[in-house]
Amino acid sequence: DTQMTQSPSSLSASVGDGVTITCQASQDISKYLNWYQQKPGKAPKLVIYDASHLETGVPSRFSGSGSGTDFTFTISDLQPEDIATYYCQQYDNFPPTFGGGTKVEIK
Amino acid sequence: QVQLQESGPGLVKPSQTLSLTCSVSGGSISSGRYYWSWVRQTAGKGLEWIGRIYPSGDTSYNPSLKSRATISGDTSKNQFSLKLSSATVADTAVYYCAREGGIAVGYKYFDHWGRGTLVTVSS
Repeated sequence: DTQMTQSPSSLSASVGDGVTITCQASQDISKYLNWYQQKPGKAPKLVIYDASHLETGVPSRFSGSGSGTDFTFTISDLQPEDIATYYCQQYDNFPPTFGGGTKVEIK
Repeated sequence: QVQLQESGPGLVKPSQTLSLTCSVSGGSISSGRYYWSWVRQTAGKGLEWIGRIYPSGDTSYNPSLKSRATISGDTSKNQFSLKLSSATVADTAVYYCAREGGIAVGYKYFDHWGRGTLVTVSS
């Protein structure tokens, strides 16, 4: 299976800060990577697909980039409603696999 | 707006079969534009894709489940189901059903999810 390694596992930042999460794949996955936001007690919600495409309705302060094995997810201007755990997920190789998650908290 | 809802027993005994159903509204499971998946989440292993059913009725599964999973669809009820045989404590998880979209344009992403249902495997 393609292993997805996220870092950091958790972070704390102030409202208005920029936040960056990285996701590294154990093998080349081209740009076939998605990012999800999960709030406590809720299902994951698609935020970014195909590495850099913003899902409809998602605020533009969320962005993604990368290809191959290294990807980044950025929240510019962190808002209180962005408190959640974020997961990357690859779909280039079978089976689809998820990263371990990054918990984002407000300082 | 498509909605998915999981249902099934919240408690399963070890060695028994875990059975869940996902009811879909606002979209047809036989639409060629989407696949329909089961994903589970545990504290220990995080999010794990279990398998999917295609519009044709074909299925594919995560090899890690060692052939214990079976997914089937009922187009008359617009539902799809998961059976996981020989359940163990390790199968205790929140189980989600999800729609995979973007298929027609070469993407695959889980764009709609059910709320999830906790299944505990315990005697």
